[in-house]
Amino acid sequence: EVQLVQSGAEVKKPGESLKISCKGSGYSFTSYWIGWVRQMPGKGLEWMGIIYPGDSDTRYSPSFQGQVTISADKSISTAYLQWSSLKASDTAMYYCARSFVLTSAFDYWGQGTLVTVSS
Amino acid sequence: SYELTQPLSVSVALGQTARITCGGNNIGSKNVHWYQQKPGQAPVLVIYRDSNRPSGIPERFSGSNSGNTATLTISRAQAGDEADYYCQVWDSSTAVFGGGTKLTVL
Repeated sequence: EVQLVQSGAEVKKPGESLKISCKGSGYSFTSYWIGWVRQMPGKGLEWMGIIYPGDSDTRYSPSFQGQVTISADKSISTAYLQWSSLKASDTAMYYCARSFVLTSAFDYWGQGTLVTVSS
Repeated sequence: SYELTQPLSVSVALGQTARITCGGNNIGSKNVHWYQQKPGQAPVLVIYRDSNRPSGIPERFSGSNSGNTATLTISRAQAGDEADYYCQVWDSSTAVFGGGTKLTVL
């Protein structure tokens, strides 16, 4: 069974760093792209970027380029999304999702990680 | 950048047919994917590549795509279909989501 399991909810202060994770199982982790999607409270889905764990090829949305870093450790089938300095506006639910190629649908999604940034 | 336009809300009577549109410049030349998101849950893929249903998605869900509009059609709408629906395409190696449509089943 394909699963994407994300790390738990986080509460951080502005300026702090954070790295959340997404662990894939039940499929060949290095053969699928893993994308990250933000959903701010009461808002829609926003694509942040995507990584191919097989060779670490990474693409970012222009809106998120330079704001976050996407990485992956294929040895443990885990992708990451990280911030070096959080802002209150980073408060959101973050989802990881799997895609076979860069034109295909996101067929499996993680359960989401809620990040709350507040002083 | 490429933009997708969806109505904010669509209402449908129980048992009737709901149609949710997704507008974009020459969207008919792209593959459109549709997701359903219920409150407090992660999105679920309901249609991929314009008109294909993943395993486990009822036949009541169908899709079409032509010209500047893609459409998700939900036949015999049920109370359980009440959710937010998002269309999505790829444009120059960038994923783009529509703003989402809230479907209300009356």
